[in-house]
Amino acid sequence: QKEVEQDPGPLSVPEGAIVSLNCTYSNSAFQYFMWYRQYSRKGPELLMYTYSSGNKEDGRFTAQVDKSSKYISLFIRDSQPSDSATYLCAMEVRGGSEKLVFGKGTKLTVNP
Amino acid sequence: EADIYQTPRYLVIGTGKKITLECSQTMGHDKMYWYQQDPGMELHLIHYSYGVNSTEKGDLSSESTVSRIRTEHFPLTLESARPSHTSQYLCASSDRDSSYNSPLHFGNGTRLTVT
Repeated sequence: QKEVEQDPGPLSVPEGAIVSLNCTYSNSAFQYFMWYRQYSRKGPELLMYTYSSGNKEDGRFTAQVDKSSKYISLFIRDSQPSDSATYLCAMEVRGGSEKLVFGKGTKLTVNP
Repeated sequence: EADIYQTPRYLVIGTGKKITLECSQTMGHDKMYWYQQDPGMELHLIHYSYGVNSTEKGDLSSESTVSRIRTEHFPLTLESARPSHTSQYLCASSDRDSSYNSPLHFGNGTRLTVT
């Protein structure tokens, strides 16, 4: 069983839709959870960072962590064509990054 | 936009050739990393460095080697390229401080094709 599972999609939604992206994980020791966004032919960039359980909001983006279910989500409200990208979840036991475990990424297309 | 640069962006090369993928960052970050990314697959760490003269192998076995002679420079070398090395290689850096405020900054990658 992979440590991190992420549905690769692709996911196609109309502009303005609410998007939900999800990852599940098996290692209960993970404490730091991240979402990276990767545009085509670019490197990933950090979108959201959360520690432990709960919600974190940043503009149209909300990251949610449910440690009891080993499940994390990224919600995008009022989605825009510029949100079209691949979204990668990532997590680690402690801060340090060299032990970061990534999901496969979900490719999202927002249609105008 | 992150100040981390990778060259070349695209490389097509024949089997058996020696290649070096360049990575430089201007942020003064101590930690640097090389990841391999294949379509539809997870990013896998192949090398990392804590600072000058420090290099470590990552989780994914790789025939490549790295060096860290200067803080800003972290090149990756393949002595004899093979078709199995065809992939996208992403370089990244982060501050030495291991708090959660030190995310990875990625370059835009080198897409390598070995024929």
